[in-house]
Amino acid sequence: GENVEQHPSTLSVQEGDSAVIKCTYSDSASNYFPWYKQELGKGPQLIIDIRSNVGEKKDQRIAVTLNKTAKHFSLHITETQPEDSAVYFCAAIFTGGGNKLTFGTGTQLKVEL
Amino acid sequence: DGGITQSPKYLFRKEGQNVTLSCEQNLNHDAMYWYRQDPGQGLRLIYYSQIVNDFQKGDIAEGYSVSREKKESFPLTVTSAQKNPTAFYLCASSIGTGVTEAFFGQGTRLTVV
Repeated sequence: GENVEQHPSTLSVQEGDSAVIKCTYSDSASNYFPWYKQELGKGPQLIIDIRSNVGEKKDQRIAVTLNKTAKHFSLHITETQPEDSAVYFCAAIFTGGGNKLTFGTGTQLKVEL
Repeated sequence: DGGITQSPKYLFRKEGQNVTLSCEQNLNHDAMYWYRQDPGQGLRLIYYSQIVNDFQKGDIAEGYSVSREKKESFPLTVTSAQKNPTAFYLCASSIGTGVTEAFFGQGTRLTVV
């Protein structure tokens, strides 16, 4: 069935270090993979997305990579800052299910000073 | 300002009572969604609507109902049949379903006592 797995569930890094969050998906027909950042008490906000015809996308300190063969995609945050502390969700569109977004279980990132 | 608005931010109800959560958007989006968020479980889809006067069940629709009489509005009713209604509820909208960005509201935290 439709499934997106996300690891790790919690991640603690020192300020200035890099953070990597990984997700795997089950539907090989998925073609859109967004990443959302959720701050405490707020709704998620899109930070970067990637489509299946692209292997990597970068936006300043944030990058996403996609391996369609292995059905996994990753979020990379470089030079982390305290304001990067939040919950991050990956998601994928399953084209066989009405094009609904299915989310991973989230990663609580903590950037320590 | 264009956006998606959920109200109220906090809601308390007694067990056995139905309660309706409001979601309004002025982005002229066709698609709207309701998600439930519980700790450690990510975002789970309750209902979604691709167009006015039409909606489909998501993964956890039991105990919930929706309507889509206007393009701008997609209210969610949590009925007394929902066994564990206490949660954080998120509404989202997108231009259409599929490969498009979903915009989220700020959420409603419902507590049933």
